[in-house]
Amino acid sequence: TQLLEQSPQFLSIQEGENLTVYCNSSSVFSSLQWYRQEPGEGPVLLVTVVTGGEVKKLKRLTFQFGDARKDSSLHITAAQPGDTGLYLCAGANNFNKFYFGSGTKLNVKP
Amino acid sequence: GAGVSQSPRYKVAKRGQDVALRCDPISGHVSLFWYQQALGQGPEFLTYFQNEAQLDKSGLPSDRFFAERPEGSVSTLKIQRTQQEDSAVYLCASSLLATEAFFGQGTRLTVV
Repeated sequence: TQLLEQSPQFLSIQEGENLTVYCNSSSVFSSLQWYRQEPGEGPVLLVTVVTGGEVKKLKRLTFQFGDARKDSSLHITAAQPGDTGLYLCAGANNFNKFYFGSGTKLNVKP
Repeated sequence: GAGVSQSPRYKVAKRGQDVALRCDPISGHVSLFWYQQALGQGPEFLTYFQNEAQLDKSGLPSDRFFAERPEGSVSTLKIQRTQQEDSAVYLCASSLLATEAFFGQGTRLTVV
């Protein structure tokens, strides 16, 4: 059972397009992380959001934590082929347990 | 160390064989997690340690799976009598704060 639902599951876009990935849950999390994973590698942490309503920017990536701390979004502006990968959200509860979504597989075509 | 280190990177086991997967966490990280990741899916929680104490093993799929962290640093995930459904990538992560976890590259286990 996935506590976190990610959408879309797959996304194939052209270089230069914008996109948004969603991460939703009925549970409240103390923090939420976004990771990117490339084939054959472990997930690499992109950002952690802690406060409801928080927005963080990392170059062309914008992360938002929902006001109720149950959902999050990742927006990529002007996607590049180097953004290709599996994007994972993970929520942490008060007991240090991290729950992962099933991931969004992004392919950016040149 | 600089990051979480896992070994071996790849393991092929014959069905019924026992395997041991090793994780070296980031030095000083109190928390250590094991996850199982099927192809194209997100990681699924297996077990969690705080120092040497295994605080949660609710994700271990069967009693063939066993994890230990005897000195609160290196951890070993052992799978006895491996089955084909055990084939997956096994990820280890460590954490200092409850807000983020850092992952190793994983061990890809293939049971034939």
